[in-house]
Amino acid sequence: EDQVTQSPEALRLQEGESSSLNCSYTVSGLRGLFWYRQDPGKGPEFLFTLYSAGEEKEKERLKATLTKKESFLHITAPKPEDSATYLCAVQAISRPGNMLTFGGGTRLMVKP
Amino acid sequence: GAVVSQHPSRVICKSGTSVKIECRSLDFQATTMFWYRQFPKKSLMLMATSNEGSKATYEQGVEKDKFLINHASLTLSTLTVTSAHPEDSSFYICSATGGRENNEQFFGPGTRLTVL
Repeated sequence: EDQVTQSPEALRLQEGESSSLNCSYTVSGLRGLFWYRQDPGKGPEFLFTLYSAGEEKEKERLKATLTKKESFLHITAPKPEDSATYLCAVQAISRPGNMLTFGGGTRLMVKP
Repeated sequence: GAVVSQHPSRVICKSGTSVKIECRSLDFQATTMFWYRQFPKKSLMLMATSNEGSKATYEQGVEKDKFLINHASLTLSTLTVTSAHPEDSSFYICSATGGRENNEQFFGPGTRLTVL
């Protein structure tokens, strides 16, 4: 069974204090690993897709990396507007269609 | 591109009534649409997968007769919560695939259902 575990559940940072969010996964054949940002009361917003170990992608203050067991979302010098819940999800080759299995999310709060 | 809309964004209804939520892909044809449910401060739980013109595939524990899904066209799927009860109150989110990046899911803004 595919499993995705995110840690920590919640993270408080001061503005400018860099950190990393972790997503550990167990999947029978990874098709892709996805990172989303979700603001309260809204749907998830796509950030990155990673397909193979060693791959990295960047967007503004965010950088996502992937190994065979986990992915990290690095946040460099975060700002208050980066406060949101960050969701990680995997797509398994064995699952039909493009089904995603989500982790529990990390609630990030950045204080000014 | 790859925009998904949902309607309504919020709905309040009385217990026992039925509520229909629409999910539309605005600028691409969605071969597959997904329906999720999200409880406060929890992650997304997949309820069902629907392909245009065929019956939806429901996840274990999701009542088919309670949550009716229709995927009538490549741009529209509907979720009907039948005989709603307060425990059905939740945030319902749809997503769709089939755009340029065929394996990516693009999410709608969600619908907040409150059953009194």
